[in-house]
Amino acid sequence: DAGITQSPRYKITETGRQVTLMCHQTWSHSYMFWYRQDLGHGLRLIYYSAAADITDKGEVPDGYVVSRSKTENFPLTLESATRSQTSVYFCASSESSRTVNYGYTFGSGTRLTVV
Amino acid sequence: TQLLEQSPQFLSIQEGENLTVYCNSSSVFSSLQWYRQEPGEGPVLLVTVVTGGEVKKLKRLTFQFGDARKDSSLHITAAQPGDTGLYLCAAKGWSNQAGTALIFGKGTTLSVSS
Repeated sequence: DAGITQSPRYKITETGRQVTLMCHQTWSHSYMFWYRQDLGHGLRLIYYSAAADITDKGEVPDGYVVSRSKTENFPLTLESATRSQTSVYFCASSESSRTVNYGYTFGSGTRLTVV
Repeated sequence: TQLLEQSPQFLSIQEGENLTVYCNSSSVFSSLQWYRQEPGEGPVLLVTVVTGGEVKKLKRLTFQFGDARKDSSLHITAAQPGDTGLYLCAAKGWSNQAGTALIFGKGTTLSVSS
């Protein structure tokens, strides 16, 4: 199916464990993004990527690691999960252009609870 | 990092009423986008405004970009229960070696009851 898919949809993990959230898109969009959404904070950028092997930090990168070996995949890893990382995580993708303002297409999110 | 301030934070109205939500910043943006998010789903793009003073209509939704490109408004005419959701404004406000990324306002939660 075409689109952007995130997995798992729900995850409960223990403090200190490593957990990886997956994101896969079928459009070959250049840009991919990870945001977290929390009450009172809205959507905050964690990491983003302009192409395979080109990634950079966003507003709240501490405690997270990303990789992008293939254009279609952009996994987000919590190296040692903390309770403060309990959140809803959204992956998004976008085409890129100097002249056109493309919107983002978001996945349905992963609700992560760290206990 | 620039900030996008949205108001009001919450809005609860009856079906058929009109409403306006606002998105303000002290920064000038080349463009601004509005998204709508329903519970359990990711945001969905509604519109992109680019030119200062631009007005775009999407059925009962009217979007306006401020003349100075620092603010925007979303007006809904005759709201319906199906308009219920979280409305987010966004603009390119994060820039680094990997390019630019959108920053989002905290959103306006709209509840329309029948």
